[in-house]
Amino acid sequence: QKEVEQNSGPLSVPEGAIASLNCTYSDRGSQSFFWYRQYSGKSPELIMSIYSNGDKEDGRFTAQLNKASQYVSLLIRDSQPSDSATYLCAVSPGQNFVFGPGTRLSVLP
Amino acid sequence: EAQVTQNPRYLITVTGKKLTVTCSQNMNHEYMSWYRQDPGLGLRQIYYSMNVEVTDKGDVPEGYKVSRKEKRNFPLILESPSPNQTSLYFCASSPRRGGETQYFGPGTRLLVL
Repeated sequence: QKEVEQNSGPLSVPEGAIASLNCTYSDRGSQSFFWYRQYSGKSPELIMSIYSNGDKEDGRFTAQLNKASQYVSLLIRDSQPSDSATYLCAVSPGQNFVFGPGTRLSVLP
Repeated sequence: EAQVTQNPRYLITVTGKKLTVTCSQNMNHEYMSWYRQDPGLGLRQIYYSMNVEVTDKGDVPEGYKVSRKEKRNFPLILESPSPNQTSLYFCASSPRRGGETQYFGPGTRLLVL
């Protein structure tokens, strides 16, 4: 069974701090990696996609990928209360997708 | 407006009564997929389709059927629902293939008694 693992949280950070979310995956053949945000009762929405090793930045969000360590992370700078949600890591080894269980983030005002 | 729609949004049914959840996208996407989401287990892929008449199993296909007769529609069929299929279901689509960004529908909450 190909797996994606995340700490379930909750991860609590004060407003304005950096939130760091981590994800590990088991399938070394995975080529595509995604971070989705899901508010309670809503559908997942894409935050970042990353396909090659290194960092990718988009506004306050930075995704980091290390294929050798089978590790992908998401940094949220200047965290806001509106960032409070569950963050889902997703990996695509080929045509299918495998999601992690999600990390619940709480940003405290 | 570009979107993925699902119907119904909420459904209560009884064990063994066949049901269909519809999914439709207006973005001309080739790839469509169904997921179920359960507490602590995250999203698990049920089936996916890379194009019309092309479908494949995800991680949890047992008890489900799908069909892709038209590009825009990808219905999920539960021929004999059981209580362990009580879940939140999401349909999603991608422009061309797996491994690309997916756009999710609003979800269908199913309760099987």
